[in-house]
Amino acid sequence: DAGVTQSPTHLIKTRGQHVTLRCSPISGHKSVSWYQQVLGQGPQFIFQYYEKEERGRGNFPDRFSARQFPNYSSELNVNALLLGDSALYLCASSPLPGQGEEKLFFGSGTQLSVL
Amino acid sequence: AQSVTQLDSHVSVSEGTPVLLRCNYSSSYSPSLFWYVQHPNKGLQLLLKYTSAATLVKGINGFEAEFKKSETSFHLTKPSAHMSDAAEYFCVVSDLTGGGNKLTFGTGTQLKVEL
Repeated sequence: DAGVTQSPTHLIKTRGQHVTLRCSPISGHKSVSWYQQVLGQGPQFIFQYYEKEERGRGNFPDRFSARQFPNYSSELNVNALLLGDSALYLCASSPLPGQGEEKLFFGSGTQLSVL
Repeated sequence: AQSVTQLDSHVSVSEGTPVLLRCNYSSSYSPSLFWYVQHPNKGLQLLLKYTSAATLVKGINGFEAEFKKSETSFHLTKPSAHMSDAAEYFCVVSDLTGGGNKLTFGTGTQLKVEL
């Protein structure tokens, strides 16, 4: 079975531009979460979506938005890019949200560089 | 709010010697705690999880962790390090408030294994 897939794997943008990152969860998983990992730090929670609805949001500005599609895939959008948005963006999927005991399965991430 | 503190940013051991990666947690209720490993250019992989069933938790690849409420600790250990264990390790706490499943990561411990 395929794991969590993210595209693209690498991306270079300039300040002020917009970017869209994509994630396909493991088949049968209905919850998708997004995390930002800045170099040298642990991942930070951005969003969680379940059944196309936002279930949780981290401490990120409104320039960050996301959505989930009927097939449970997800997009993360970032507007007006800043240099500080340079990071590895990780997507994780799970069967159901909020149960605490289920595992999150992470993709390999999209490395975003903002110049 | 839940949080974790990883006490060492870098740990270096010789192959065949024990590994100890330290983590303290802060939680207003009985936490769900995890250890994840991140190898270069790969996604995060779950090593083990604690969810109150047993205080000594066994994970994959010979790793285990002990939950000590009196010390608010969840240290990761392995009796004998292998070269393939060299990676970044994250202590993680799950936050179920708000209906979602937000993971809060520590800052990570880089494990180096030398011959």
